Amino acid sequence: SQKIEQNSEALNIQEGKTATLTCNYTNYSPAYLQWYRQDPGRGPVFLLLIRENEKEKRKERLKVTFDTTLKQSLFHITASQPADSATYLCALEGNTDKLIFGTGTRLQVFP
Amino acid sequence: EPEVTQTPSHQVTQMGQEVILRCVPISNHLYFYWYRQILGQKVEFLVSFYNNEISEKSEIFDDQFSVERPDGSNFTLKIRSTKLEDSAMYFCASTGQGKGPQHFGDGTRLSIL
Repeated sequence: SQKIEQNSEALNIQEGKTATLTCNYTNYSPAYLQWYRQDPGRGPVFLLLIRENEKEKRKERLKVTFDTTLKQSLFHITASQPADSATYLCALEGNTDKLIFGTGTRLQVFP
Repeated sequence: EPEVTQTPSHQVTQMGQEVILRCVPISNHLYFYWYRQILGQKVEFLVSFYNNEISEKSEIFDDQFSVERPDGSNFTLKIRSTKLEDSAMYFCASTGQGKGPQHFGDGTRLSIL
C-alpha cells in the first residue's frame, strides 16, 4: 500500500539556522509533490509544489527538492525564524487530484 | 485574498444524529474536496466533487456520508447517523484547476458524544 513518511515528528532548531524536513514515499508515482504548513487549529496552507520532472523549486526562504529515484523530497527553510514554527505537511498528488498527506513534522524555532 | 470559509467552527452532536457541515469555497473555483483529520493523525482524503458529481471517494466515505452543492456558493458534507469515530476536524478545500495547490478552510471540529 502507499506509504508516506516524514522524517520526524518534531524538529527543534535555533533561529537563523536552516531547517531541513524530509518526505519519503513508497508504492506511489506522484505527478506532483506539495508542501503545506499547518498551524494549531487551522487548515493546511499551501507553500510549494514541485512536479515529477523538476529537481528543485524555490520561493523566498523556502526550497524544495524532489528525487523520484530515491522517492524523496527535502524541504528547506533558510534563516529560520520563530514565526516559522508550525507543522509542515508533505502531500502527494497522482493521476487524480486527491492529496495523500504525510503525518507531518512539527518544527519549533527557538530564539 | 479570497478564502474558503467553513461553518460551524465546532459542532457537538449526539451519536446517531445527522450532522451537516457547511463550506463556502472560493467563488471561481470548480473542484471541491472534503478531508478529515482525527486528533494527532494525518489529514485524510474523503471525497472530491466536480460538475455536480463525486469524482472520487475514499473507503472512509461510506453510505453514511453524502455531499451536495445546493446552490452556487455552498458545498456541504452530511453524515447521516454519526458514530463516535466520526469525531475529527473536517476540512473543505477548493481549487480552480483540479490539479495543484488546494485552498483549505480552517475546518469544523466535530465532536460526537
